[in-house]
Amino acid sequence: DAGITQSPRHKVTETGTPVTLRCHQTENHRYMYWYRQDPEHGLRLIHYSYGVKDTDKGEVSDGYSVSRSKTEDFLLTLESATSSQTSVYFCAISDPERAGNTIYFGEGSWLTVV
Amino acid sequence: AQSVSQHNHHVILSEAASLELGCNYSYGGTVNLFWYVQYPGQHLQLLLKYFSGDPLVKGIKGFEAEFIKSKFSFNLRKPSVQWSDTAEYFCAVNERGGYQKVTFGTGTKLQVIP
Repeated sequence: DAGITQSPRHKVTETGTPVTLRCHQTENHRYMYWYRQDPEHGLRLIHYSYGVKDTDKGEVSDGYSVSRSKTEDFLLTLESATSSQTSVYFCAISDPERAGNTIYFGEGSWLTVV
Repeated sequence: AQSVSQHNHHVILSEAASLELGCNYSYGGTVNLFWYVQYPGQHLQLLLKYFSGDPLVKGIKGFEAEFIKSKFSFNLRKPSVQWSDTAEYFCAVNERGGYQKVTFGTGTKLQVIP
C-alpha cells in the first residue's frame, strides 16, 4: 500500500461542529485528493491539490474547505458539519511524473454526523 | 469533458464462471487506463493499469484487461472467478497532458456465489 495515513479513521460528531480530517503521505507525490463515497452516489471528488498552497474544487466542494501547507499534508475541513456529510472520506495521491498519474488511496475515514 | 461508463452496475456469477466487465471512455486523446478493486469495507486498490505497448495487460489475482483503442474500451476479464473476488470494480481514465484529470466510472458490484 502507498504511504498514506488518514486520521481520524472513525469519528462521530454533532451537527454544526467543525471537523478536520488529515491526510499524510510519505511518497512525495505532487497531487493530493479528497473523495467521498456514498452508496447512492458512488465516488465523488471534493477538492484536490496540485502543489503546496495550490488547491481547486471538485464536483462536491460546497461545505468543505482544504489546505495544503506542506507537500505531505492535506487537510479537509467541514466548517459546520451536517447529516448529509455523513460518509466515508478517502484521501488519495498521484503524480503525473510517476506511474502515469496512478492514483493511490488511503484507507478511509468514516464520519458520522448526528 | 471526458467520461467513463461502466454499463454493468451489478453482476452475479457462480464460482468458476468467467467474468467480463465493460468500461468505455469518451476522451479522444492519449489516455492511461486503470482498474481498481474495492473489497467490502476497504479502500480502492489498484488492480492493473495500461499506459502503452501491449494492449492486453495482466494484473494481480488473475485479472487482465484489453485496451481496444478503436472502441474506446478497456474491459476487465478473469477466466474463473472465486468467492473472494466479490467486490466493487472501478474503471478510471487519466487524460495525459495539462492537469491530467483522472475520471472514475460509477463502479460495478460483483457478487460471486459459492
